[in-house]
Amino acid sequence: AQSVSQHNHHVILSEAASLELGCNYSYGGTVNLFWYVQYPGQHLQLLLKYFSGDPLVKGIKGFEAEFIKSKFSFNLRKPSVQWSDTAEYFCAVRNTGFQKLVFGTGTRLLVSP
Amino acid sequence: DARVTQTPRDKVTEMGQEVTMRCQPILGHNTVFWYRQTMMQGLELLAYFRNRAPLDDSGMPKDRFSAEMPDATLATLKIQPSEPRDSAVYFCASGSDSGGNTIYFGEGSWLTVV
Repeated sequence: AQSVSQHNHHVILSEAASLELGCNYSYGGTVNLFWYVQYPGQHLQLLLKYFSGDPLVKGIKGFEAEFIKSKFSFNLRKPSVQWSDTAEYFCAVRNTGFQKLVFGTGTRLLVSP
Repeated sequence: DARVTQTPRDKVTEMGQEVTMRCQPILGHNTVFWYRQTMMQGLELLAYFRNRAPLDDSGMPKDRFSAEMPDATLATLKIQPSEPRDSAVYFCASGSDSGGNTIYFGEGSWLTVV
């Protein structure tokens, strides 16, 4: 069965600091990978996704993620965070057989001004 | 913009009452998911439909929860009888086989059972 691990449950950063959130998945086949963001009191919104091709994926709001197949990882990065990036970030994986989307437990990011 | 629509947005109900949550997937999407989010458990998949057929409801308590898709434009999640531990945010999401594997979330139904 698929599973997703997000090792950082809470991250606190100052504005302009760089961000990297870890995500590892377990599934032997071909997968699609996603990062969703949930701002306080809101629903989940797609940040970026990887299906195939260039393993470095750029998303909205300056976020990017790198798929490293050998490490089963899909870490999220942003060079310089802003206060408005305060949110919870979820990594998710779905196999290409259109099966269910499995989420990690989320990482709560707090950016202090 | 096309979006997943959920009703009600907020619901407060008494223990033992029936609760029905509705979801209108994005037009043309053929996959629908119900997720529950709580502080303790995070995001849990309750049910998953593809072309209106239930594919996976292993995460759903069968004794009190039921999920259906009466037609392609409506998915329902029913709790009967409701209990305080059902208090959570319930998200519906939809996707399309032809649109790749991306799914889009509704704004959620915030349920409180007292």
